[in-house]
Amino acid sequence: QLQLQESGPGLVKPSETLSLTCTVSGGSISSSSYYWGWIRQPPGKGLEWIGTIYYSGNTYYNPSLKSRVTISADTSRNQFSLKLSSGTAADTAVYYCARHPALEAAGTGYYYGMDVWGQGTTVTVSS
Amino acid sequence: QAVLTQPSSLSASPGASASLTCTLRSGINVDTYRIYWYQQKPGSPPHYLLRYKSDSDKQQGSGVPSRFSGSKDASANAGILLISGLQSEDEADYYCMIWHSSAWVFGGGTKLTV
Repeated sequence: QLQLQESGPGLVKPSETLSLTCTVSGGSISSSSYYWGWIRQPPGKGLEWIGTIYYSGNTYYNPSLKSRVTISADTSRNQFSLKLSSGTAADTAVYYCARHPALEAAGTGYYYGMDVWGQGTTVTVSS
Repeated sequence: QAVLTQPSSLSASPGASASLTCTLRSGINVDTYRIYWYQQKPGSPPHYLLRYKSDSDKQQGSGVPSRFSGSKDASANAGILLISGLQSEDEADYYCMIWHSSAWVFGGGTKLTV
């Protein structure tokens, strides 16, 4: 059974970089059938897509966050990671990693919405 | 105006049906979009329910009961999540989502009270 687990510091200082890792078990991020994404949810608010990666390194970012976001994959560890620079209080949220089924194989960039989610990890940006 | 608009709350009785709407902004044609639906209970991650574009392009999430179904109302330019035979466990927040302008966009969510 596929499981995704987010990990990383729960507290980040303003202006610093938020770094999180998603560890995938029960499946391989190197599968051509899936993409892997990050989504966040500020306290008491709705969901916001951050970005998505294919194991080969192709990335797709939310235009509203693109200048601050880097998503990478480590296939040897079956993990993918999120870095969000220049953190502010507005970045305080629960961060989720998730799986996207590929619409077409071979990393063409066409993929469906998220179908399996991690439990989420809370990140607070505060001094 | 938001890309996707959902009523903030909806209340329905056990055993009844609930129709949750997700209205697309004017100028965005619902016919061309796959609409995704997620259920989120307090303290838990969103759970994928289904996606719906048309009767020939739809998918039920793994293990999701058939009493959850998707449709569209073209006249209202909206996607619809229909929950029949409401149970107390259906009380949750429900979010819709589409792929629009190179981004996955979520609606603001509807809090369903049963």
